[in-house]
Amino acid sequence: DIVMTQSPDSLAVFLGERATINCKSSQSVLFSSNNKNYLAWYQQKPGHPPKLLINWASTRKSGVPDRFSGSGSGTNFTLTVSSLQAEDVAVYYCQQYYSIPLTFGGGTRVEIK
Amino acid sequence: EVQLLESGGGSVQPGGSLRLSCAASGFTFSDYAMSWVRQGPGKGLEWVSVMTGSGDNTHYADSVRGRFTISRDNSKNTLYLQMNSLRAEDTAVYYCAKGRYAEAYNYFDPWGQGTMVTVSS
Repeated sequence: DIVMTQSPDSLAVFLGERATINCKSSQSVLFSSNNKNYLAWYQQKPGHPPKLLINWASTRKSGVPDRFSGSGSGTNFTLTVSSLQAEDVAVYYCQQYYSIPLTFGGGTRVEIK
Repeated sequence: EVQLLESGGGSVQPGGSLRLSCAASGFTFSDYAMSWVRQGPGKGLEWVSVMTGSGDNTHYADSVRGRFTISRDNSKNTLYLQMNSLRAEDTAVYYCAKGRYAEAYNYFDPWGQGTMVTVSS
């Protein structure tokens, strides 16, 4: 199984400042035949289901604000919120879809400082 | 608009059974893999099971294999999860989630609102 490890568990950021979340996979999720990283990011607000933000490690879903960006390759990935807004308070999860079982990181809680 | 509506959750004693349903609309159901993902109280997300769009392939998490069965009725646009031999650790909100593609290796978009399953004596 591919283990997904997120860090930090939580972080508090001032409004307008940058938030950075890391996700590390126990093995590469880069598929060599198509050079794509099988890595997605989700946002979950309290009392709501998760919402897809980014797939293929760096492709933002249509309608997701451009302050959200994903980067990384292989085993190390980052979700960046360039200028944190109040509505970005949530828990963020990474997920690999390279192999079965599909696995999630443990989540990172983002709060306002 | 894609919509996923789960039902069938509730309270059950350990060893009992439940069947969850997920009614889908707004897309060609048979073209997409569908998954169940659960979230225990105050916990993170755990993938449970996936069925390919055609229904010819299924996969399960080790924690539920042999106890849970995923199925789908493409004529009714409905996904199911039959849960047997339930344990306290199966207590969670169960989400139905649409895959982006027909095959099993998928990310999830969108998710249903979830249905709560509580296993307790």
